[in-house]
Amino acid sequence: KAGVTQTPRYLIKTRGQQVTLSCSPISGHRSVSWYQQTPGQGLQFLFEYFSETQRNKGNFPGRFSGRQFSNSRSEMNVSTLELGDSALYLCASSLTGPFYEQYFGPGTRLTVT
Amino acid sequence: EDKVVQSPLSLVVHEGDTVTLNCSYEVTNFRSLLWYKQEKKAPTFLFMLTSSGIEKKSGRLSSILDKKELFSILNITATQTGDSAVYLCAVEVLIQGAQKLVFGQGTRLTINP
Repeated sequence: KAGVTQTPRYLIKTRGQQVTLSCSPISGHRSVSWYQQTPGQGLQFLFEYFSETQRNKGNFPGRFSGRQFSNSRSEMNVSTLELGDSALYLCASSLTGPFYEQYFGPGTRLTVT
Repeated sequence: EDKVVQSPLSLVVHEGDTVTLNCSYEVTNFRSLLWYKQEKKAPTFLFMLTSSGIEKKSGRLSSILDKKELFSILNITATQTGDSAVYLCAVEVLIQGAQKLVFGQGTRLTINP
């Protein structure tokens, strides 16, 4: 079966702009989680969506938001980009979630200049 | 503040050796501990541990959790060059009814032929 896909794979934005990243989970998976990975902070949990509702949330400011559609696809939005938002953004899906037997996508590399 | 610490941060061994990776944690409301393997970008789920003393095993990999001493180990026997990766430990915690993952820094394992 097809894996988790993320688009775009690479993105360059300017400070102050906003960005939307997309994640398509494995067919049948209803839980989608988002993560940020940086060399300094490592891997950090952003939030998890299940059946179109945000079910769990990490410690990120309100500039980071997301949503999930009825087909389980999810988007993550970052507003008012800061240089420190440059990171690899990973999404992961699981059948019921949030964390058991997650399958990760290849990530979106965001660079903020 | 919830904390997960992995050791060593880096390890270089020869093919065929056995390695033990460590993960200790200090968290307020523990639910489970997870291990992941990250080779390039997308982490791969390895194990989820919830009970002390019960070994989880998959091929040459095994892991065990000690909830009294607050640590877990990941063992890899008869290592192969394909085991070279960053191994991540994460602890699932429950805060105000919401689940979140707290990650360790990772152990970079290099297997030399």
